[in-house]
Amino acid sequence: AQRVTQPEKLLSVFKGAPVELKCNYSYSGSPELFWYVQYSRQRLQLLLRHISRESIKGFTADLNKGETSFHLKKPFAQEEDSAMYYCALRGSSNTGKLIFGQGTTLQVKP
Amino acid sequence: DAGVIQSPRHEVTEMGQEVTLRCKPISGHDYLFWYRQTMMRGLELLIYFNNNVPIDDSGMPEDRFSAKMPNASFSTLKIQPSEPRDSAVYFCASDSNSGNTIYFGEGSWLTVV
Repeated sequence: AQRVTQPEKLLSVFKGAPVELKCNYSYSGSPELFWYVQYSRQRLQLLLRHISRESIKGFTADLNKGETSFHLKKPFAQEEDSAMYYCALRGSSNTGKLIFGQGTTLQVKP
Repeated sequence: DAGVIQSPRHEVTEMGQEVTLRCKPISGHDYLFWYRQTMMRGLELLIYFNNNVPIDDSGMPEDRFSAKMPNASFSTLKIQPSEPRDSAVYFCASDSNSGNTIYFGEGSWLTVV
């Protein structure tokens, strides 16, 4: 079964502190992993995906198949990073379906 | 393209009433998804379509929920009769066959009182 787990519902840090949003997944094949961000009362939008190996808004995420993790990291948090972050998985069968974790609210305090 | 368009943006209805949520996917996209977002359960996939055909409806909570996609540019999610526990944000999303990412609408905020 496909499953995405985000163990923290809320992560609160001060501006300038490092951030790590945890994501673990369960999937027997080779998944695609994504991070989506939702700013207050707005639509979800793609932040990054593991295939691209890119850095967006200072965020990076590395797929660790051994630990089945895809943690999202940023070295120095900014207040504008405050949002809900969702980790998502798509199976290798490429049915298009994305399975989301429960989300983590990131609160960056001044 | 204007993106995925959902209506209504906000709806408040009384328990027992029928609710219909509408979605227009991005032109040319083959996949359409309906998700429900709540504080307790996060983002749940309710149902998705490929080329207007329902592929997986295992996430639909119960028979009160139904979804249709009569053509490539329109889908509805219907709740009949509605209950207070259906209060949530319902997102529609679409994706092309390339599978690069899915694009979300702005959501329909449903409150059942």
